[in-house]
Amino acid sequence: EAGVAQSPRYKIIEKRQSVAFWCNPISGHATLYWYQQILGQGPKLLIQFQNNGVVDDSQLPKDRFSAERLKGVDSTLKIQPAKLEDSAVYLCASSSLGRRGANTEAFFGQGTRLTVV
Amino acid sequence: QQPVQSPQAVILREGEDAVINCSSSKALYSVHWYRQKHGEAPVFLMILLKGGEQKGHEKISASFNEKKQQSSLYLTASQLSYSGTYFCGTVLLLGGKLIFGQGTELSVKP
Repeated sequence: EAGVAQSPRYKIIEKRQSVAFWCNPISGHATLYWYQQILGQGPKLLIQFQNNGVVDDSQLPKDRFSAERLKGVDSTLKIQPAKLEDSAVYLCASSSLGRRGANTEAFFGQGTRLTVV
Repeated sequence: QQPVQSPQAVILREGEDAVINCSSSKALYSVHWYRQKHGEAPVFLMILLKGGEQKGHEKISASFNEKKQQSSLYLTASQLSYSGTYFCGTVLLLGGKLIFGQGTELSVKP
């Protein structure tokens, strides 16, 4: 089966500019995650969708970050305006719901490496 | 809420064993283990559900102690390919979000 697709792979922008990342999850996966991974740290959950509803966005800096999941499939994460500390890898992952209604393993895309200068 | 992993780093010789621990301050529904190599995405290793199940994957196995809200990842007879950073991810009993620990960097030397 096809994996999680993300684009672009790399992006360099100046601070205060805006940027958008796109994610296409594995077909049929109800849950979609966006993580921010700063070098040397674990992935930090920004937002988790189940179908097109939000399960958790408590760590999403809502004054500058926004995310949507169109029709419960593709998702876009936007940063506007970007700050230097937003430099990181943005990982998208997806998972399906198991028999008990809980999420099974998450499959990750290759990520988008963002550099803000 | 972030799970705590220990140790932060491990250096092994090929063939040696290692244990990586993950603990949570809150009741868990499941624990996920992933390995990430430099510049790559995390890759799923195994998932453990509430019930104390022990799962295996090649020479890598794991356990989940519900009473202590702890999980351990066991790597036996380590190979060079085991090098990377290992992350545990936890899903709480209340709330379905998947959050990760800070990682354990494992280096296997010849």
